[in-house]
Amino acid sequence: ETGVTQTPRHLVMGMTNKKSLKCEQHLGHNAMYWYKQSAKKPLELMFVYSLEERVENNSVPSRFSPECPNSSHLFLHLHTLQPEDSALYLCASSHVGGTGTRYGYTFGSGTRLTVV
Amino acid sequence: GNSVTQMEGPVTLSEEAFLTINCTYTATGYPSLFWYVQYPGEGLQLLLKATKADDKGSNKGFEATYRKETTSFHLEKGSVQVSDSAVYFCALSNFGNEKLTFGTGTRLTIIP
Repeated sequence: ETGVTQTPRHLVMGMTNKKSLKCEQHLGHNAMYWYKQSAKKPLELMFVYSLEERVENNSVPSRFSPECPNSSHLFLHLHTLQPEDSALYLCASSHVGGTGTRYGYTFGSGTRLTVV
Repeated sequence: GNSVTQMEGPVTLSEEAFLTINCTYTATGYPSLFWYVQYPGEGLQLLLKATKADDKGSNKGFEATYRKETTSFHLEKGSVQVSDSAVYFCALSNFGNEKLTFGTGTRLTIIP
């Protein structure tokens, strides 16, 4: 399997639930990203992992907790979410260093999250 | 810092019409420029890219030319199809800054 795979594709959760989103890439990339895409809003960069270290956290509430156990896997752990957290969560990967990022990111298909 | 400005949408065209979606950027140095497309219910897919001035990226009948003198990377297609209906994002990256900077996206709807 190639590309960036996100699971699940759809998730409905209550505000008291704990769930995790998973992202996996088989491209040999060494950086991974979480984005949030809400209706009628620009793409929001949430977290950046480069060489398995978190290098960016854009003021994301603590109810979102990322984990990057290795360069191929990225998780987003969710707990006590709010209805306004309902959105499409996109994972992406790239190769950093050298001229890698000049070739852009590869995105997954996203997880459509609904918080009820 | 880096920024990307796209034309406001939504854009609605008839099938076989000519398409232009404007994109201008602000960046230091020599950024790489990208167009991504997002079909309904999907993530973003790389449509085309250009890594240096005067390069032309092309794919699926779409083209964009890296114009450093006007800091632009406008997306064009000579004859659009209903299947081109999607949201289009212009983006840039700078060497040494691994983060992609995206525009706000332009929703395109093609009617038969």
